[in-house]
Parts: sequence; C-alpha cells; structure tokens
Amino acid sequence: EAGVAQSPRYKIIEKRQSVAFWCNPISGHATLYWYQQILGQGPKLLIQFQNNGVVDDSQLPKDRFSAERLKGVDSTLKIQPAKLEDSAVYLCASSFGLAEYNEQFFGPGTRLTVL
Amino acid sequence: AQSVSQHNHHVILSEAASLELGCNYSYGGTVNLFWYVQYPGQHLQLLLKYFSGDPLVKGIKGFEAEFIKSKFSFNLRKPSVQWSDTAEYFCAVNAAGQGFSFIFGKGTRLLVKP
Repeated sequence: EAGVAQSPRYKIIEKRQSVAFWCNPISGHATLYWYQQILGQGPKLLIQFQNNGVVDDSQLPKDRFSAERLKGVDSTLKIQPAKLEDSAVYLCASSFGLAEYNEQFFGPGTRLTVL
Repeated sequence: AQSVSQHNHHVILSEAASLELGCNYSYGGTVNLFWYVQYPGQHLQLLLKYFSGDPLVKGIKGFEAEFIKSKFSFNLRKPSVQWSDTAEYFCAVNAAGQGFSFIFGKGTRLLVKP
C-alpha cells in the first residue's frame, strides 16, 4: 500500500515569509496528524483531524499556524509569518481510526529552515 | 501534564550486546504505550505497543518491552543487537480517554558497532 505522502521535502525561507506543507494520508485513513520535530527532540503534536474535523489543536500556535483538511483526505499546514524557531521537520501521520491504539503511519517529513 | 522521559540520549553498543532503553512517563491514569523507531533515512515506524493485558509486549525484529505500572516505565529490550538496529528510538504515551494526544520522548540514538 502507498504510504503517507508529503511535499515539499525541503524548504528554506526567510523569517516573516509564509510557507505551506501538503500531506496525503494513506487511503482510507480517517485520522490525520501534524507534528513538529525540532532537532534533538521528539515529535510534538500540532493538530489532529478526524475526517475534516479538528480533534485536538491545543498545541498549535494559532497566531501563525493554520491547518485544514477540507475534504477529509489531504491536508495543508501553513505558517504565516515564519519565525526562526519554526525551523524543524514537519511530520504528517495518519491512522485508520480515532481509537487510541491505532498505529500511526508517518510520512517522510518536510524539513523547514527559516533564515 | 503528561510527559515522557528517555534517559539515554545516545547509546553505543557492539554487535551481540544486550540493549535496554529506558522510558518513564508521568500520568496517574490509564495509558497506552508505544515505541517507534526511525532508521537512517527512513520514516518513523511502530516497533511495538501496549494497551492492556500481558505487560511484556513483543514487537518486530526481536524487540520487546515491559510495562511496569508501579514504576511508570516501559523499557525497550533486545537480547542481542545487530548493526542494522542502528536507529533513533522514541517512546510515546497516550493517556486513555484524554483526547488521544500522543506525547513523544526526546528519543535515544543507538549506534551499533559491527
């Protein structure tokens, strides 16, 4: 089966610019997650969708980050404007359902560098 | 708030050595526990998971983990490591019934010398 797809794989921008990341989950997976992984740390959940609804966005910095999953399939994560501390790998993951024990399948990530 | 601690950030072993990576969490209620692995150049993938039942869980590639509730621990073990086990290992916790949010530890980088 095809895995979680993400694009772009790498992005370099200057601070105060905007950037968007795209994720296409595994077909049939209702739950989609965006994580931020700063160098030397574990992934931190930013937002979780169930179909096109938000389940948890408590750790999303909403003044600059936004995410949507309008049709309940693919998703975009946007940062506007970017700050230096946003430099990180942004991971997308999906799982079959909302159950806590469902395995999450991760994409390759987008490495963002903010200069 | 929940948290996950992985005590060893870097571990270097020779092939055939035994491995134990520590993971402790802070949360007083029921938890679901996971170990994920990221091999060089690859995606994060699930190694094993615990929800209930037998506290000794077996995963892929000969790994196992033991949930000790009294110690809030979920340590990962492998009796004999191979060079191909070189990777970064992440422990993750999700508190049952608490919005399903996953909390990951900072990871442990394992280098196995041939």
